[in-house]
Amino acid sequence: DIQMTQSPSSLSASVGDRVTITCRASQNINSQLNWYQQKPGKAPKVLIHTASVLQGGVPSRFSGSGSGTDFTLTINSLQPEDFATYYCQQSHITLWTFGQGTKVEVK
Amino acid sequence: EVQLVQSGAEVKRPGESLKISCRASGYSFTTYWIGWVRQMPGKGLEWMGIISPGDSNTEYSPSFQGHITISADKSISTAYLQWSSLKASDTAMYYCASPLGGDAIDYWGQGALVTVSS
Repeated sequence: DIQMTQSPSSLSASVGDRVTITCRASQNINSQLNWYQQKPGKAPKVLIHTASVLQGGVPSRFSGSGSGTDFTLTINSLQPEDFATYYCQQSHITLWTFGQGTKVEVK
Repeated sequence: EVQLVQSGAEVKRPGESLKISCRASGYSFTTYWIGWVRQMPGKGLEWMGIISPGDSNTEYSPSFQGHITISADKSISTAYLQWSSLKASDTAMYYCASPLGGDAIDYWGQGALVTVSS
C-alpha cells in the first residue's frame, strides 16, 4: 500500500496567520491527493480534491498544490473556525490511505 | 439528498461478534464504492476497506484483512462492517464513507462508536 507522511504533526498559529501543511506519498500518485478537515466529534469534511481543486463551498483561503509525491495545503489568513485537524489522503489506488494528521492549535 | 446513516453505538465484550450498518439514500447505491474508516480515541483516520455494492467486489487494508468483513445488501442499500471476535483494541469510532463526486470522499456517515470492554 501507499504510505502518506504529513508534517508537522501539530502546529500553533494565530488568527490571520498563513499555515502550510505538507504531505508526502511513498510513491508517485500523480494528482490523486485529497485534503480533509476534521473537528472534534465530527466526520471529516473534504476541502480539496485532486491536489488543487477546491471543493464546492470551501472558502478560497484554502489552497492545495503539488503532484507526484509532494503536496501542500495552505491556509491563508487563518480564521477561528479553522482550528482543527487536517488529513491528506491518496486516491491513486483503491486501497486509499490517510496521512497521520496535522492538528492546528491556537497559539 | 444524499445520506449515509449508520447504526447506533455499541458496547460489547471481548470475543463477541458485531455487525454495524450504513444505510445509503439519495443516490444509486450500486454505482459508487463505500468504504469504512476507523478512528481510535484521540487518533487519526485509518482506511479499513471498501466494497463495490454492485458486484460485492471488496478490498481490505492489510492492517485489517482477516479481522473484519465488509458486505453489502443491494436490496436495502445498506453496507455492513462486521467482526466475528472483537478485541478491546477495536474500541473506536467507525465511519462509512463514499466518493460520490469522484476521487475524494465527499459523503460520510455520522459515525458509530464501538466500545469493547470486559
